[in-house]
Amino acid sequence: GAGVSQSPRYKVAKRGQDVALRCDPISGHVSLFWYQQALGQGPEFLTYFQNEAQLDKSGLPSDRFFAERPEGSVSTLKIQRTQQEDSAVYLCASSKDSPNYGYTFGSGTRLTVV
Amino acid sequence: DQQVKQNSPSLSVQEGRISILNCDYTNSMFDYFLWYKKYPAEGPTFLISISSIKDKNEDGRFTVFLNKSAKHLSLHIVPSQPGDSAVYFCAASVKAQKLVFGQGTRLTINP
Repeated sequence: GAGVSQSPRYKVAKRGQDVALRCDPISGHVSLFWYQQALGQGPEFLTYFQNEAQLDKSGLPSDRFFAERPEGSVSTLKIQRTQQEDSAVYLCASSKDSPNYGYTFGSGTRLTVV
Repeated sequence: DQQVKQNSPSLSVQEGRISILNCDYTNSMFDYFLWYKKYPAEGPTFLISISSIKDKNEDGRFTVFLNKSAKHLSLHIVPSQPGDSAVYFCAASVKAQKLVFGQGTRLTINP
C-alpha cells in the first residue's frame, strides 16, 4: 500500500489479556519504529528494527513488551498480561534508509485496557 | 526527564496572522530537530526539519528557527490558515537515531 498500515485501529483488552498489534510498513522501507503515545503526551520511542534485526529496544517499558519483524517487513508488537497503564496509542513508523529522518507514521492502534 | 519540552499546551491564532510555536530542549547532543503535525485519529506527519549546523530553514509558509545557545527552537507559520489547526510536535534526535518528542501544542486557527 501507499502508506504504513496498522491493525487493529482500536483494541479493548481485559486486564491480564495478551494483545498483538500489527504494522505493515511501506514496501521496501528498511527501518521500522514503534512508539507509544499516552493521552496528552508526545510519542515515546519503544523499539527500532533495521530489516529483521532489532537494533534498539531500550524504550520497551517492561519484559511484558515484545516486538518482532521476522522477515524484515511486517512487524508485530506483543504485550503480555496487559495492565491499565498500557492504555495508549501505539504508532508504527517506517523509513526508506537506515537510519533516516524521513519517517512515515501509521494511524496507530488505540489500546484500551479495562 | 523531559529532554524536549513544549510549554504551551494550546495556542489560538486568527486566520492570516502569524503562528509561533515554541520548543525547548536540554540535551546538547541533539543534532537534528523536526516538527510534526497531527490531526485527530491520524499519525504524525512530517512538516519541516533543521540541522544543528543551521539556524533557519524555510519551506513555503513554514520556517523553523534554531537558537543553540538558548537550546530553543520555534516554528513560524505565516499566514496561518484554518487547515493548520492541529497538534504540533517538535522532536529531536542524536545522529539520526530515535526521535525524542515534546508533549505537543494544539494550534487553533480562528476564522
